[in-house]
Amino acid sequence: KAGVTQTPRYLIKTRGQQVTLSCSPISGHRSVSWYQQTPGQGLQFLFEYFSETQRNKGNFPGRFSGRQFSNSRSEMNVSTLELGDSALYLCASSSDRGPLGYTFGSGTRLTVV
Amino acid sequence: AQSVTQLGSHVSVSEGALVLLRCNYSSSVPPYLFWYVQYPNQGLQLLLKYTTGATLVKGINGFEAEFKKSETSFHLTKPSAHMSDAAEYFCAVRNAAGNKLTFGGGTRVLVKP
Repeated sequence: KAGVTQTPRYLIKTRGQQVTLSCSPISGHRSVSWYQQTPGQGLQFLFEYFSETQRNKGNFPGRFSGRQFSNSRSEMNVSTLELGDSALYLCASSSDRGPLGYTFGSGTRLTVV
Repeated sequence: AQSVTQLGSHVSVSEGALVLLRCNYSSSVPPYLFWYVQYPNQGLQLLLKYTTGATLVKGINGFEAEFKKSETSFHLTKPSAHMSDAAEYFCAVRNAAGNKLTFGGGTRVLVKP
């Protein structure tokens, strides 16, 4: 069974640009969540999508957005990049049947210069 | 609001010695609790989870954790450390009403030969 796939693995962008990250969940999983990991703030919840609807959102500015497609694949977009957006962005999928854990992808390492 | 506190951002143990990582949580309702491990440049891998039932939970790689409601704790242990246990460990809580994980700050484990 394939795991959670995130692409690309690494990205370097310039301040002011925008970026799109992609996440393909485990087959059959309909819930996809995104987390930002930085040395200073740790792991922080960005948002969660279920059946193409945003079901939960963390405390991030509107520059951070996401969407989910009918096949459960998800993308997150960050516009007007800032240096502080440099982080590891992790995607997690869940079957959303009961209190199960999440399966995480390997992440996308974003560096903003 | 939920919160998770991991005591000690770094722990150093000798190979073969006991590994004990502490986690305390706050939650207004019975929580679902998780331990994840992260190796360098990787995502998070689920070690074990507590949902309901038996309070002593066994996970992968010889790890186990005990849910103590009276102490609001979910400490992770392994009787005998192996060099391959060197990694960062995260405790997380998921509220039954929500669909996000709140993580502790993480504990980095160093295993000395």
